[in-house]
Amino acid sequence: AQSVSQHNHHVILSEAASLELGCNYSYGGTVNLFWYVQYPGQHLQLLLKYFSGDPLVKGIKGFEAEFIKSKFSFNLRKPSVQWSDTAEYFCAVNAGSKLTFGTGTRLQVTL
Amino acid sequence: EPEVTQTPSHQVTQMGQEVILRCVPISNHLYFYWYRQILGQKVEFLVSFYNNEISEKSEIFDDQFSVERPDGSNFTLKIRSTKLEDSAMYFCASSQGRGRETQYFGPGTRLLVL
Repeated sequence: AQSVSQHNHHVILSEAASLELGCNYSYGGTVNLFWYVQYPGQHLQLLLKYFSGDPLVKGIKGFEAEFIKSKFSFNLRKPSVQWSDTAEYFCAVNAGSKLTFGTGTRLQVTL
Repeated sequence: EPEVTQTPSHQVTQMGQEVILRCVPISNHLYFYWYRQILGQKVEFLVSFYNNEISEKSEIFDDQFSVERPDGSNFTLKIRSTKLEDSAMYFCASSQGRGRETQYFGPGTRLLVL
């Protein structure tokens, strides 16, 4: 069965700081990897996804993620966070028809 | 941009009652899903639905739960005889295909069972 681990549960950063959120997955076959974001009071939205090709994928709002197959990782990065990036971030894997989510990372960006 | 919509946004019910949560998926999508998130826990898959039948379900999705697409636009989750532990946020999602296709989520229905 597939599983996803997000080790950072709550991250607090100042504006303009760099961000890296960890995501590790467990699955032996081909996977499709996603990062979703949930802004306060809003629904889950796709940030970016990877299924093949260039392991460095770029998403919306300046986010990017790197798929490292040997490490079973798909870490999310942003060079300079903004206050508006305050949200909860979920890594997810899809090996069929269902998404398996990590526990989420709450990011708080301070001014 | 098309969105998945869900009604109601909040539902309070008494233990043992039946509830129906409603979803309108994006119109040209073929796959439909229900997920739930108990407060403080991760988002969990409940069921996927394609071609008018369940394609996959989790251990959580027992006989208490059922899904239906009663017409061309709605997708419903019925919970019979609700329990306290059914209190959660329930999310509907839809996608054009499986696997690498993006699942688009609705805003959720917060269910509270008293």
